[in-house]
Amino acid sequence: ILNVEQSPQSLHVQEGDSTNFTCSFPSSNFYALHWYRWETAKSPEALFVMTLNGDEKKKGRISATLNTKEGYSYLYIKGSQPEDSATYLCAFAGVSGTYKYIFGTGTRLKVLA
Amino acid sequence: DTGVSQDPRHKITKRGQNVTFRCDPISEHNRLYWYRQTLGQGPEFLTYFQNEAQLEKSRLLSDRFSAERPKGSFSTLEIQRTEQGDSAMYLCASSSGTGFNEKLFFGSGTQLSVL
Repeated sequence: ILNVEQSPQSLHVQEGDSTNFTCSFPSSNFYALHWYRWETAKSPEALFVMTLNGDEKKKGRISATLNTKEGYSYLYIKGSQPEDSATYLCAFAGVSGTYKYIFGTGTRLKVLA
Repeated sequence: DTGVSQDPRHKITKRGQNVTFRCDPISEHNRLYWYRQTLGQGPEFLTYFQNEAQLEKSRLLSDRFSAERPKGSFSTLEIQRTEQGDSAMYLCASSSGTGFNEKLFFGSGTQLSVL
């Protein structure tokens, strides 16, 4: 059974703080790693699609890194704002003959004004 | 491009009843997924369509669950003889291409409550 784990499960930060989360996934049979942001009462929205070891992606104040050899990805938020409050999900795709993405349980972020 | 839409947004049903959900993906997307999420868990894979072909179905899914995607357009997910354990958020997502490099576009989900 393939396991994708995210940590921490939840955290509260003050506005202006920088923060980061971790997504751990199987280091073998890697194909892609996705990050999604899911705000309450909205649809999950794609942040990044990462496919190459050493990939670094950036979108505004949010960035992500990927290490496929050791099986982890970090998501960083610089200068957190209240609108960053959401659940951040990572999804792993492997090459073992399946079409499915395996999601982690998410990190619930609350940014306090 | 109006995004992925799901209907209904909420469904309350009594145990033993059948329910059907609909998903309309982005029109040019050939790939369609159904996922289920329960409280405190990440989205759990249910099934995958490439155009009209159902190429993968979770082994966790009982025979009470069935999904269709006629003509490779909208999709329906039916749950027969619902049980309280079926209460969850049912998410639909679509994407283009054939690999995993394309991001998923999600609908807002259908929240099912089985009483």
